[in-house]
Amino acid sequence: QQPVQSPQAVILREGEDAVINCSSSKALYSVHWYRQKHGEAPVFLMILLKGGEQKGHDKISASFNEKKQQSSLYLTASQLSYSGTYFCGTAVLQGAQKLVFGQGTRLTINP
Amino acid sequence: KAGVTQTPRYLIKTRGQQVTLSCSPISGHRSVSWYQQTPGQGLQFLFEYFSETQRNKGNFPGRFSGRQFSNSRSEMNVSTLELGDSALYLCASSLRSPFNEKLFFGSGTQLSVL
Repeated sequence: QQPVQSPQAVILREGEDAVINCSSSKALYSVHWYRQKHGEAPVFLMILLKGGEQKGHDKISASFNEKKQQSSLYLTASQLSYSGTYFCGTAVLQGAQKLVFGQGTRLTINP
Repeated sequence: KAGVTQTPRYLIKTRGQQVTLSCSPISGHRSVSWYQQTPGQGLQFLFEYFSETQRNKGNFPGRFSGRQFSNSRSEMNVSTLELGDSALYLCASSLRSPFNEKLFFGSGTQLSVL
């Protein structure tokens, strides 16, 4: 039940926008987004709960489509500091309560 | 507040040996989750502990085990090491549940099996 992320990798120039998608085959309770820079621990970005609103912070926001069991992470006017690997984690509505992460999307921002 | 602390930072073992990794969560956090990270596989869920009880388990063989102590510190053990166990092992803590709360990750233990 590992969620599927797309794309696997993306390269942008500073100032461009990016969208990272996360989809699950199971009904979801929550979707989590984390960013990991090389050699560092993953860092929390946001959580979207079933029935909740679209979340956002500065130029990074996310949506959760409950009908499609999909979430998208939006990075607007990307900055060099946005580079890293982005992971979505999903928790399903029924069954074992565990947070399962996708394989990650590597984002590279060039000057 | 101190963050999540994992020890040791690096480990080198040979096939067949066993290893114990330690994780100290943020003070007040009672849930500890363990993940295995390898290139191309992302973060694979191992298990989650809450109040000294294993609440959930991932799809790993029985060679992987863990426990949690009354002070919420957690250890994971891997017995009869295989080459494929080489990975970064991350632990993460949260107040009560990783289901709907922010996870705080440690820096991980890099295990190399020769």
